[in-house]
Amino acid sequence: ETGVTQTPRHLVMGMTNKKSLKCEQHLGHNAMYWYKQSAKKPLELMFVYNFKEQTENNSVPSRFSPECPNSSHLFLHLHTLQPEDSALYLCASSQDLAGGRGTQYFGPGTRLTVL
Amino acid sequence: AQKITQTQPGMFVQEKEAVTLDCTYDTSDPSYGLFWYKQPSSGEMIFLIYQGSYDQQNATEGRYSLNFQKARKSANLVISASQLGDSAMYFCAMREGLTGGYQKVTFGTGTKLQVIP
Repeated sequence: ETGVTQTPRHLVMGMTNKKSLKCEQHLGHNAMYWYKQSAKKPLELMFVYNFKEQTENNSVPSRFSPECPNSSHLFLHLHTLQPEDSALYLCASSQDLAGGRGTQYFGPGTRLTVL
Repeated sequence: AQKITQTQPGMFVQEKEAVTLDCTYDTSDPSYGLFWYKQPSSGEMIFLIYQGSYDQQNATEGRYSLNFQKARKSANLVISASQLGDSAMYFCAMREGLTGGYQKVTFGTGTKLQVIP
């Protein structure tokens, strides 16, 4: 596999369910990101990890819980979500956080629907 | 104030014609980078092209070129010889403070391009 992969691609869950989104990057990058993309809104940065350490939490509700066990894997654990959390969740990676262009490479996203 | 503004919610272009997607940005930082991404209906954001604020020449990548006008703070994407596969959402983005520590990337609201056969 190459680039950034995300599973599952589609997820439907009830408000009381617990589920997890998975992201894996095969680019040898050190920084990873979670974004939320809602209709007609700019991409919203949720979390940033650099060398497995969380460097940014963009005021995300605690019902979203990220986990980064190593530089190649990033998870987003979901519990007691609300219908307004329905969106496309995109994972991205970049070489690192500071210096250079900081070009981010994205995965295909997980389309989440909360019933 | 919006840091990235894309004023065209939707655009149509005839196949094989060129099209320009507009992007204006707002920053007081002298060191920044500008990106364009393509997002097909499948969802993946595909990196297309990058322009640094200190780059002397406009960036080009195949059929993509970036018309960078620094004084006007605009970074328009030009797609030459449009193809049906170019139909997608296109996002302009900016990262400030390239010479400093981490600065997050700000995205615009996107332009939906439809290529007509």
